[in-house]
Amino acid sequence: DAGVIQSPRHEVTEMGQEVTLRCKPISGHNSLFWYRQTMMRGLELLIYFNNNVPIDDSGMPEDRFSAKMPNASFSTLKIQPSEPRDSAVYFCASSRGGATYNEQFFGPGTRLTVL
Amino acid sequence: DAKTTQPTSMDCAEGRAANLPCNHSTISGNEYVYWYRQIHSQGPQYIIHGLKNNETNEMASLIITEDRKSSTLILPHATLRDTAVYYCIGHPGETSGSRLTFGEGTQLTVNP
Repeated sequence: DAGVIQSPRHEVTEMGQEVTLRCKPISGHNSLFWYRQTMMRGLELLIYFNNNVPIDDSGMPEDRFSAKMPNASFSTLKIQPSEPRDSAVYFCASSRGGATYNEQFFGPGTRLTVL
Repeated sequence: DAKTTQPTSMDCAEGRAANLPCNHSTISGNEYVYWYRQIHSQGPQYIIHGLKNNETNEMASLIITEDRKSSTLILPHATLRDTAVYYCIGHPGETSGSRLTFGEGTQLTVNP
């Protein structure tokens, strides 16, 4: 199993540009989570999906952030326009529906730097 | 999720047991105690979880006090690869597909 796949692994962009982060969950998993990690704020949940439907987006910082899950094998997190304070490591995680415990499998993360 | 309190950092000698404490005095009856860890530059990794009884798996043991107000994660023979931030999380229910709230965790450093 390839695990959760995220791309790109590193992204450097300039303020104002659009950034799109991509995630492929583990096959057969039907829950997908987007987290953001910074030194100041730690690991924060941004949004999560069950069966491709957004369940809780209360962690999405503002309208500049949007997430989609068009099918069970792909999700995107978009920031438009990006700002320097968006610099962070963004993790995607997935978990198996119907599992008896909440084990989330995390991807390697995307390190975003906004100049 | 219940609020948990962990020491900021701990040290352990390689080959010795690492005992990581967690206080969760406000945990409710249906909340499980989950432990995850995050090795530097990687995503978090599930370790173990429990409700009332002590639990053991191939990675660690979890000891939960009878009043459930605190617990201890035990790595029986710590190795250098166990150096990581360890998160203790109180979480309702045992099912998948719901949010986890990560706190600041404990930075465990295993020394040679």
